[in-house]
Formats: sequence, structure tokens, C-alpha cells
Amino acid sequence: EIVLTQSPGTLSLSPGERATLSCRASQSVGSNYLAWYQQRPGQAPRLLIYGASSRATGIPDRFSGSGSGTDFTLTISRLEPEDFAVYFCQQYGGSPGFTFGPGTKVDVK
Amino acid sequence: EEQLVQSGAAVKEPGESLRISCRGSGYDFISYWVAWMRQMPGKGLEWMAIIYPGDSETRYSPSFQGQVTISADRSTNTAYLQWNGLKTSDTAIYYCATSLGFGYYDASGHRHPPPNFDYWGQGTLVTVSS
Repeated sequence: EIVLTQSPGTLSLSPGERATLSCRASQSVGSNYLAWYQQRPGQAPRLLIYGASSRATGIPDRFSGSGSGTDFTLTISRLEPEDFAVYFCQQYGGSPGFTFGPGTKVDVK
Repeated sequence: EEQLVQSGAAVKEPGESLRISCRGSGYDFISYWVAWMRQMPGKGLEWMAIIYPGDSETRYSPSFQGQVTISADRSTNTAYLQWNGLKTSDTAIYYCATSLGFGYYDASGHRHPPPNFDYWGQGTLVTVSS
């Protein structure tokens, strides 16, 4: 099973600042089957990035994803008030299937 | 508009049975995989199981194999997650999710679902308490 580790656990930033979130896999993630989700309090997760670097439909271009193999990054270029949330990475590795990282909370400094 | 609508919150006692539902609309339900995820209070997401409604092929996370049953009713565009014998540790929010992308076949001919989820239900809170 591929285990995902996210860092930092919490990121305290101000609106307008740049956020850099890390996701590291215990084994190489095949074909860049790595996605990022945002979850606001009381809401379901929302897909932001798939295939490590492709933005999902309707996602603002301040969100970008990069990386390959075992190291991936989600960058929010300038934080808007609605971006303060929890972010999860997720991979699909065939067997046993899907795994999620523990999440990074982005909160207001 | 593509949408997944889940059944309402449930309160149960330990040992009871429960089935929660997830109805798809606005797309060809039977042609796309549907998964269930668990989110325990204040915690992250865990993938539980996935089903292809077209032929009812299912896959389970080893952590949930034998603990829950996933099913789908093609006639009502609805996926289900069922427990027989709830535990207090089953208290959580459960999400269904789907991807309107297509899966793929690997070199050995094994079918795979799409690798991510682009539509999610609103979540169902299940509380198990005596």
C-alpha cells in the first residue's frame, strides 16, 4: 500500500500570501495518479488538481500542482479568504486502491 | 447538472443494521464508478469501496472488506453502503463520489477505475451510540 505524508500539518498565512503544500508518497505514484482536494468546514471535498498538475473544471489558476514520482506540491499563488481550508492529496495505486494523505490545514495568521 | 444526493443523517445503536444511499442525476449513472469514503470526526478521508453500476463489479479497501457492503440499483441510479452490526467506531461522515472520466485496462487486462473523484455527495452523518 502506498502511504501519503503531507507537510506541514498546519500552515498559518495571511491573505495574499503564497502557500506551498507538500505531499510525499512511500512509493512512486504511477503515471502521476495524484490528485489534490480542498475541504472547507462542513463541506464535501472538492477536486482541485488531477494527474499531479491539471486543474479541474472551474478551479482558479492561482492553484497549481507539480511533482512526479514520490514528491508532489500544491501551490496557491495568492491566498483568497475562501482558500483557508484543509487540503488533501490522494493517489490511486491499483492495489489496494485509493489512499489519501492526512491533510494540511491552511489557516489565517 | 451532474449531482450526487445522499440520504439523511442516521442515529443507530451498536449492533443495528443500516443502509445509506447516494442517488446520481444529470449523467449516465451506470457508466461511471461510484465510491464511498469515510471521514471520522476531525480526521482525514479513507477510501472504503467502489462499484461499477454497469455490471456491479466491486472493490474494497482491505480495511473495510467484510465490514460493509457496497451495491447499486441501476433502475434508480442509486448506490448504497450497508452495515450489518454497527459499532460505535462507525460514527463518521460518509461521502459518495464519482468520476466522469473513464477507467483503463492495464497490460494484464485488469480493469481500473478513474484515479480521482470529481463529483461528491453532500455527506451522510452516521452516529452509533447506546
